[in-house]
Amino acid sequence: QSALTQPPSASGSPGQSVTISCTGTSSDVGSYDSVSWYQHHPGKAPKLMIYEVSERPSGVPDRFSGSKSGNTASLTVSGLQAEDEADYYCSSYAGSNNLVFGGGTKLTVL
Amino acid sequence: EVQLVQSGAEVKKPGESLKISCKSSGYTFTTYWIGWLRLMPGKGLEWMGNIYPGDSDTRYSPSFRGQVTISVDKSITTAYLQWSSLKASDTAMYFCARRTYGSGTEFEYWGQGTLVTVSS
Repeated sequence: QSALTQPPSASGSPGQSVTISCTGTSSDVGSYDSVSWYQHHPGKAPKLMIYEVSERPSGVPDRFSGSKSGNTASLTVSGLQAEDEADYYCSSYAGSNNLVFGGGTKLTVL
Repeated sequence: EVQLVQSGAEVKKPGESLKISCKSSGYTFTTYWIGWLRLMPGKGLEWMGNIYPGDSDTRYSPSFRGQVTISVDKSITTAYLQWSSLKASDTAMYFCARRTYGSGTEFEYWGQGTLVTVSS
């Protein structure tokens, strides 16, 4: 069982918005603004999409946004495109030099 | 261009040892933390540990401490992940990744992954 809880799947039609949640505890997500989101297309290297809760690395479309409330972080993908279909993982700093991940969410574009 | 290139797929038997590598280029190797992460089908990504090549300061996830060893060879800008005695449960894809500069915990650049299969 992963330290952070994500829904195993999410879906949306092209052009729609979808939000993926990532629930932790007051020891990780709730205590630190060090939440990141990664996109992983199987067979390829994961890609950093969001860091520090809501910051986007250069080159990541602004269709991807992140937020946090209490012990739950969220990734929203707006204007869904076919290439957004992938696995998404959240991570959070958990103190004492520990980093925890979620179990991943498979995003399907219908 | 920052690149992390990992060694190729491995097939090993339980009890055997293994050392996989991650060759970095395109940046100052000694000033960025490098992490190792495991991806198992149905289990998601797991952080195994980080190493700072400048002084070999190493931090392990509690789940992996004592199970693996992370090291670097600065002279060839390469990080390593090794096992002394593999188990079938070590079968997974392993990624190395470079953290962003400074105190950030996110991994900005990733290797292509090394598939490790442990089977008798």
